[in-house]
Amino acid sequence: QKEVEQNSGPLSVPEGAIASLNCTYSDRGSQSFFWYRQYSGKSPELIMFIYSNGDKEDGRFTAQLNKASQYVSLLIRDSQPSDSATYLCAAEDGGAQKLVFGQGTRLTINP
Amino acid sequence: GAVVSQHPSRVICKSGTSVKIECRSLDFQATTMFWYRQFPKQSLMLMATSNEGSKATYEQGVEKDKFLINHASLTLSTLTVTSAHPEDSSFYICSARVPLGLAGESSGANVLTFGAGSRLTVL
Repeated sequence: QKEVEQNSGPLSVPEGAIASLNCTYSDRGSQSFFWYRQYSGKSPELIMFIYSNGDKEDGRFTAQLNKASQYVSLLIRDSQPSDSATYLCAAEDGGAQKLVFGQGTRLTINP
Repeated sequence: GAVVSQHPSRVICKSGTSVKIECRSLDFQATTMFWYRQFPKQSLMLMATSNEGSKATYEQGVEKDKFLINHASLTLSTLTVTSAHPEDSSFYICSARVPLGLAGESSGANVLTFGAGSRLTVL
């Protein structure tokens, strides 16, 4: 069973601070990893994807991938109340050509 | 680009009736679409992979006779919940792979874009 694990939270971070979200995956064959943001009652929207070891930055967001440790993270700098949402980590099941999602981490940014 | 339109956004039906949900790719062709279900405070659960021109591939434990999927064209997939019961009440979301180029950078990553979701309530 290929799995993606996340801490369900809730994770509370003060406004302006850095929010750190973590994810581990079981399938060493996974090559691509995704972070989606989901507001309550809405569908997920893509934040970033990463497929190379190291960091990838996009604005206030930085994704980090460590394939040796099977670990993916998302950092959100200068957190805003609008960042409050559930963040879903996903890994591509290369063999089946589909994404496996974690259970999501609920993030709350406190003004 | 890469917009997926899903309708209806909300539907309420009586137990025993059937409900059809449509998922359209608006500005690209999607040979494969994915149907997910999400219960409150839970993650996305893949129900089935919809393939244009062929039968859908269902995940283990998903009843294919209850959740009928039709992918008749490169831009349209439908999910029909047949003989719906209250336990089928959920948030159903479709998604499609974003073609390379529309994903913002060239890569082999299978980026998914999601429809807005359909909230089904069965009374």
